[in-house]
Amino acid sequence: GAGVSQSPSNKVTEKGKDVELRCDPISGHTALYWYRQSLGQGLEFLIYFQGNSAPDKSGLPSDRFSAERTGGSVSTLTIQRTQQEDSAVYLCASNRGAGSGELFFGEGSRLTVL
Amino acid sequence: RKEVEQDPGPFNVPEGATVAFNCTYSNSASQSFFWYRQDCRKEPKLLMSVYSSGNEDGRFTAQLNRASQYISLLIRDSKLSDSATYLCVVNGRASGGSYIPTFGRGTSLIVHP
Repeated sequence: GAGVSQSPSNKVTEKGKDVELRCDPISGHTALYWYRQSLGQGLEFLIYFQGNSAPDKSGLPSDRFSAERTGGSVSTLTIQRTQQEDSAVYLCASNRGAGSGELFFGEGSRLTVL
Repeated sequence: RKEVEQDPGPFNVPEGATVAFNCTYSNSASQSFFWYRQDCRKEPKLLMSVYSSGNEDGRFTAQLNRASQYISLLIRDSKLSDSATYLCVVNGRASGGSYIPTFGRGTSLIVHP
């Protein structure tokens, strides 16, 4: 498809397990962002990748969270030792780079930690 | 103080009403501004960019006041289909140094018959 693709769309896991969330951005988009949205809350910035530059990780809430982007395309967000407060919708977005305006979002991965 | 603040609402208005939302931002160095719309359990989608000179798209008008650091969105002749959450977005510098779109919590609009 032509849009941002995220998987899984839903993930239920037990506290303490690790989870991986995947994002496939729009082809040609050099910038990729991860946000999370808790129930009734706004979008919280997590991490930003721009081309081959070092990512801006300043939004990651703890060292249990990490992300990588391979080959400048697909990104994986990993949450280790999940906690109940990690339950949220994790949204990935891409665009042509800083200052290029519109963010194109995927449909999100809804994570529930029991 | 949050970087981007919005009244969460909900704003409950009848069809045909005019409704206005405001948003304030704290970073005076912010460079670009947007309104996004988010339907229930869906991803956000761009509604319109906001320019210093103000801009209009059909029933929607957006304005930016840099001196007071606020952004507004005016919706005229509200439709039932306008019911959604409206997110104010400001490109501000994250602590890591990058300019990152920063989202407000959103303002909920409910348009009723």
